[in-house]
Amino acid sequence: GAVVSQHPSRVICKSGTSVKIECRSLDFQATTMFWYRQFPKKSLMLMATSNEGSKATYEQGVEKDKFLINHASLTLSTLTVTSAHPEDSSFYICSAPHLAGDPDTQYFGPGTRLTVL
Amino acid sequence: SQELEQSPQSLIVQEGKNLTINCTSSKTLYGLYWYKQKYGEGLIFLMMLQKGGEEKSHEKITAKLDEKKQQSSLHITASQPSHAGIYLCGADKSGGYQKVTFGIGTKLQVIP
Repeated sequence: GAVVSQHPSRVICKSGTSVKIECRSLDFQATTMFWYRQFPKKSLMLMATSNEGSKATYEQGVEKDKFLINHASLTLSTLTVTSAHPEDSSFYICSAPHLAGDPDTQYFGPGTRLTVL
Repeated sequence: SQELEQSPQSLIVQEGKNLTINCTSSKTLYGLYWYKQKYGEGLIFLMMLQKGGEEKSHEKITAKLDEKKQQSSLHITASQPSHAGIYLCGADKSGGYQKVTFGIGTKLQVIP
């Protein structure tokens, strides 16, 4: 079945550094991918829609200069957390609609846990 | 914007008991998803409901969407410790493109 991977699964970085998270659709093409974040013991919040070949669409309140999204190919979207601070520590999950596949199924990556010291 | 209310927020049941989790929308839903998650781990997609009155099952878990497509319930029969986790409902806010707004989640504990 369709699989979405994320890399890395965990990352710890120092405050002020930038961190790149990759989301890949392994056996299907995804023109769109979604990025979510989850704070401890909270629900998931949609951050942005990643569009292959064009600019990402950000949800209200999400800083586009802080969370850079690049969807350079039909199987890869990257989220870069720039100048990370401790408040950016969170669990980041991507999803990739497989529109040519089963419309009743969704595919999520396993998530990336970011800890900023 | 689409708001989803989920209840209860927390649930503790004895193994073998049945339970129900509810998800209510302020607007008519295009599609309603149910997921399971353990914190710090990815989401497990359970099922999607799209038609008014639709009911689907996944092992011992059954979900229904009401006729007005504004309320869904998730029912677990004869709960087991393996059912423990966070259950989230989600609403498709993109007309079928799987852009999801999530409910707050229901934390389920099953006591052996």
